[in-house]
Amino acid sequence: AQKVTQAQTEISVVEKEDVTLDCVYETRDTTYYLFWYKQPPSGELVFLIRRNSFDEQNEISGRYSWNFQKSTSSFNFTITASQVVDSAVYFCALNSYSGAGSYQLTFGKGTKLSVIP
Amino acid sequence: EAEVAQSPRYKITEKSQAVAFWCDPISGHATLYWYRQILGQGPELLVQFQDESVVDDSQLPKDRFSAERLKGVDSTLKIQPAELGDSAMYLCASSLRAWDRGLNEQFFGPGTRLTVL
Repeated sequence: AQKVTQAQTEISVVEKEDVTLDCVYETRDTTYYLFWYKQPPSGELVFLIRRNSFDEQNEISGRYSWNFQKSTSSFNFTITASQVVDSAVYFCALNSYSGAGSYQLTFGKGTKLSVIP
Repeated sequence: EAEVAQSPRYKITEKSQAVAFWCDPISGHATLYWYRQILGQGPELLVQFQDESVVDDSQLPKDRFSAERLKGVDSTLKIQPAELGDSAMYLCASSLRAWDRGLNEQFFGPGTRLTVL
C-alpha cells in the first residue's frame, strides 16, 4: 500500500528563519514520483516540485530546496529565510499505480507553516 | 496561463438538499479528478475520469454522490441528499495522461467549499 507521512502537524517560525518540512513515504513501486504542493489560505493547491525515484540529486530553486533520500524514503523540503507569504499548508504526495490502468496521487495530511513577522 | 476552473467557490446548503459542483479542466487534459478535503486533512480522491469514462470511483459514496463528464471535457459532481458530514472542500484537478506516470502532474482548481447546515 502507498502511504505518505508528514509527522509535523504545525510549525511556527519567525520571519527569516530557515524551516524544514519532513516527508516519509512507503511504496512497493520501484519507479515513482514524489511531489510537494502548497495550499495557501485561499485553498488552491499550488504545485511546487516533482522528483522521480531515479534522481536523488538535491534541488534548489530560489529559497526552496529539496532533499530526496531513497535509502530512508524521505523527501524533505526546506525554505531558507522564510517570509510571511510562505505561511500555508504544505502537502507531500506520492504518485502510485491505482490498479486501474492509471496513476493517482496519495497525499500526506499536510504541515501547516506559520511564519511570524 | 491555463487554469482549472471550478464553480461555485462557496456553497452553503441545508441537510437533505441537493448540491452540484462544476469543473472545467485545462484544455487538452484527458484526465480529470475530484477530491474531497476535510479540514486538517490531505485531499482524498473521490473519482477519476479518463476522457468521458470513469477509471476509479472506489472511494465515491455512490448512494448519494454522482459524477459525470459527458463529453470528456467539463465535469459535474453532485450530492443528493447532502449530509452534515459532507462539509468539506471539493477540489478538481486535471492532468495530461494518467497512464503515463511521468505526465501525471496534476493541476488543481481553487475548490468549492461546501458547508452543510
